[in-house]
Amino acid sequence: KQEVTQIPAALSVPEGENLVLNCSFTDSAIYNLQWFRQDPGKGLTSLLLIQSSQREQTSGRLNASLDKSSGRSTLYIAASQPGDSATYLCAVRRSSGSARQLTFGSGTQLTVLP
Amino acid sequence: GAVVSQHPSWVICKSGTSVKIECRSLDFQATTMFWYRQFPKQSLMLMATSNEGSKATYEQGVEKDKFLINHASLTLSTLTVTSAHPEDSSFYICSARGPNDYGYTFGSGTRLTVV
Repeated sequence: KQEVTQIPAALSVPEGENLVLNCSFTDSAIYNLQWFRQDPGKGLTSLLLIQSSQREQTSGRLNASLDKSSGRSTLYIAASQPGDSATYLCAVRRSSGSARQLTFGSGTQLTVLP
Repeated sequence: GAVVSQHPSWVICKSGTSVKIECRSLDFQATTMFWYRQFPKQSLMLMATSNEGSKATYEQGVEKDKFLINHASLTLSTLTVTSAHPEDSSFYICSARGPNDYGYTFGSGTRLTVV
């Protein structure tokens, strides 16, 4: 059974800092990995999607990497801003099976202090 | 990009009544949609997989008679919480696999409070 772990559970940084969020998964047979952002009381916004054959994806100040063999992904946020404060979730999609649902980590709650 | 619309965004109902939550894919067809439940400060827990034109597949421990799922068209799935009780109060989120089998798009969620 796939298990996804995110470390740290919470992180507080001053504005302007670069930071890294970590995601690890136990079963390397994944189809892709997706990073989401969730604001309090809201749904999920997709940030980056990395296919299993890819090593990284970039969007603006965000960079996500994937090391499938070691079961790890990182989300790098450059020059953090107070508006980046949210919970960040990673999710992996299994590579086989009819359900094809996502398995989520427990999230990292990020607070960027002005 | 792909958009999933979920309504209502919040609902308060009396214990014993039923509540229907709608999830629509606005600009693409979704043969499969997923329903999640999220408790405060916890991650998403998959409840069921909704398949267009067939019965939903429920995760272990989820009561199918309690949480009725209907996926009657390629753009609409509904979750009905029947005979709701206070312990059903939670945040419910739907998602659909985007066009071209790319990523998943999520609705904005529904906050259900049963009093």
